[in-house]
Amino acid sequence: ETGVTQTPRHLVMGMTNKKSLKCEQHLGHNAMYWYKQSAKKPLELMFVYNFKEQTENNSVPSRFSPECPNSSHLFLHLHTLQPEDSALYLCASSQMGQRDYEQYFGPGTRLTVT
Amino acid sequence: GDSVTQMEGPVTLSEEAFLTINCTYTATGYPSLFWYVQYPGEGLQLLLKATKADDKGSNKGFEATYRKETTSFHLEKGSVQVSDSAVYFCALSIHTGNQFYFGTGTSLTVIP
Repeated sequence: ETGVTQTPRHLVMGMTNKKSLKCEQHLGHNAMYWYKQSAKKPLELMFVYNFKEQTENNSVPSRFSPECPNSSHLFLHLHTLQPEDSALYLCASSQMGQRDYEQYFGPGTRLTVT
Repeated sequence: GDSVTQMEGPVTLSEEAFLTINCTYTATGYPSLFWYVQYPGEGLQLLLKATKADDKGSNKGFEATYRKETTSFHLEKGSVQVSDSAVYFCALSIHTGNQFYFGTGTSLTVIP
């Protein structure tokens, strides 16, 4: 596997379900990110992890719970979601501390909440 | 604060037409600038980048020049193809921070 992978690619869940999104980066980076991409809206940064420590939480509802057990893996635990949470969830990684630390994105998980 | 503004879409062009997507930025430091592309059903892919003033990034026939005097990083391509249909995002990052700032994206459709 190369780059940034995300599983599952598609997920349909009910409002009472609990599910998790998984992201893995194979680039040796030290930072990982969760973004939400909704139709006709700007990309929303949700969480940032730098060396496994959460450094950013942009007022995300508590029904979204991130976990970063090591610098290669990032999870987004979902529970009691609302239909408006349906979106494409993108994971990204980067190497912080460099001048041009571009972000590398995974393919995303298309989430539908019914 | 730091931000990126890019032209509203959608943009529709005929094949082989010239493309320009405008991007301007506001930054307190010395940012690196990027263009990302998102094809339907996929994540964002880095298209090109520039790390200092007057640098030109280029890839797949696309070009953008880092203009500090006009705080701009406009994306250009001389002859677009149907396969260039996608959403294009301008972005910046600041060395001292851990934030990446994305524009709102510009949807491009190229028709045969």
